[in-house]
Amino acid sequence: DAGVIQSPRHEVTEMGQEVTLRCKPISGHDYLFWYRQTMMRGLELLIYFNNNVPIDDSGMPEDRFSAKMPNASFSTLKIQPSEPRDSAVYFCASSFGYNQPQHFGDGTRLSIL
Amino acid sequence: QKEVEQNSGPLSVPEGAIASLNCTYSDRGSQSFFWYRQYSGKSPELIMFIYSNGDKEDGRFTAQLNKASQYVSLLIRDSQPSDSATYLCAVRGGANNLFFGTGTRLTVIP
Repeated sequence: DAGVIQSPRHEVTEMGQEVTLRCKPISGHDYLFWYRQTMMRGLELLIYFNNNVPIDDSGMPEDRFSAKMPNASFSTLKIQPSEPRDSAVYFCASSFGYNQPQHFGDGTRLSIL
Repeated sequence: QKEVEQNSGPLSVPEGAIASLNCTYSDRGSQSFFWYRQYSGKSPELIMFIYSNGDKEDGRFTAQLNKASQYVSLLIRDSQPSDSATYLCAVRGGANNLFFGTGTRLTVIP
């Protein structure tokens, strides 16, 4: 069974550019989570969806960040415009049920120059 | 106060020893607790979860939960060099949000 799939694995871009991160959750999972991980702050929840509907986006740091889930098998996290302080590893995770263990993708390592 | 606190380490133990990783949490209403292992440059991987007070064993891993004292620990018996990683504690609070600690880096010395 395929796990959570994220793309790209690495992204390097200049500040001011738009960045789009993609995620395909595990088939049948009804919850999808976007996290950001840095050395200083650890793993932070940005937003999560239930059945494609955004439930809690209180972790999204600024209006520059947006996330969508147009269907059960695809979600995007967009940063526009990007800034150097957005550099981090971004993880997508999914679960079958909110209280069930979350399964993580391999992450996208984002560097904003 | 952070929702979940872990000692960042590094924690070094010799091969074959017991590694003990600890985590404290602030929300007394927390109901479920997870331990993830994260190798350098990789994603977090779930290794244990526990919901009830007491111990839960799975192979060389034992999770211990004490709700009265608000701590959860992970014991790794017969530690192997392949156990060297960062271990993340995650706690689901009473409001149902999942909070992660910043992790403890474990090094098992051959």
